[in-house]
Amino acid sequence: DAEITQSPRHKIIETGRQVTLACHQTWNHNNMFWYRQDLGHGLRLIHYSYGVHDTNKGEVSDGYSVSRSNTEDLPLTLESAASSQTSVYFCASRAGQGSYNEQFFGPGTRLTVL
Amino acid sequence: DAKTTQPNSMESNEEEPVHLPCNHSTISGTDYIHWYRQLPSQGPEYVIHGLTSNVNNRMASLAIAEDRKSSTLILHRATLRDAAVYYCILSASGNTPLVFGKGTRLSVIA
Repeated sequence: DAEITQSPRHKIIETGRQVTLACHQTWNHNNMFWYRQDLGHGLRLIHYSYGVHDTNKGEVSDGYSVSRSNTEDLPLTLESAASSQTSVYFCASRAGQGSYNEQFFGPGTRLTVL
Repeated sequence: DAKTTQPNSMESNEEEPVHLPCNHSTISGTDYIHWYRQLPSQGPEYVIHGLTSNVNNRMASLAIAEDRKSSTLILHRATLRDAAVYYCILSASGNTPLVFGKGTRLSVIA
């Protein structure tokens, strides 16, 4: 079965360190998204991509970067992690050219920045 | 994206129907209405979506007001596994990202 996976599932890092969160989907979806979810809040969009070599900023993109070198993967990099970036990170993918298509989410990565 | 307004929380008895409301008075004619839910410690999952007409699927029904300024997600028979945060989201036509609000936390009582 096709799926979307994230790794690691849990990560603890020190302030100022760089970390990359992986997202891999096997549906061959063009569209991929990264969200963060802070305790007790909804999801906020960080970055998204509509295809290989395409990246776009979401509402909370400062301090994060993404690159899309193939269809299956959209890694999220925190260049210099800050305590404010402690959160749960969700990756998602979606087929086609319309927002009406179902969006599939990964299981999340819980990141703690100390 | 047009905004949606949902109650912060709702409670339901097990095996009773649940009606989750969503107001979206600034919806445009081509905006889709989506519902996703997030079970505890999981990523969100798709529930249903619609444009103008009411929609039914195996999980739920979506009732859309005639003027499209509000909609209601209907769970026909709530189970304990339906306890989750339910998000009502509007999206413009075309390939736009979904923008999540805070949703409604549904508690189901046995």
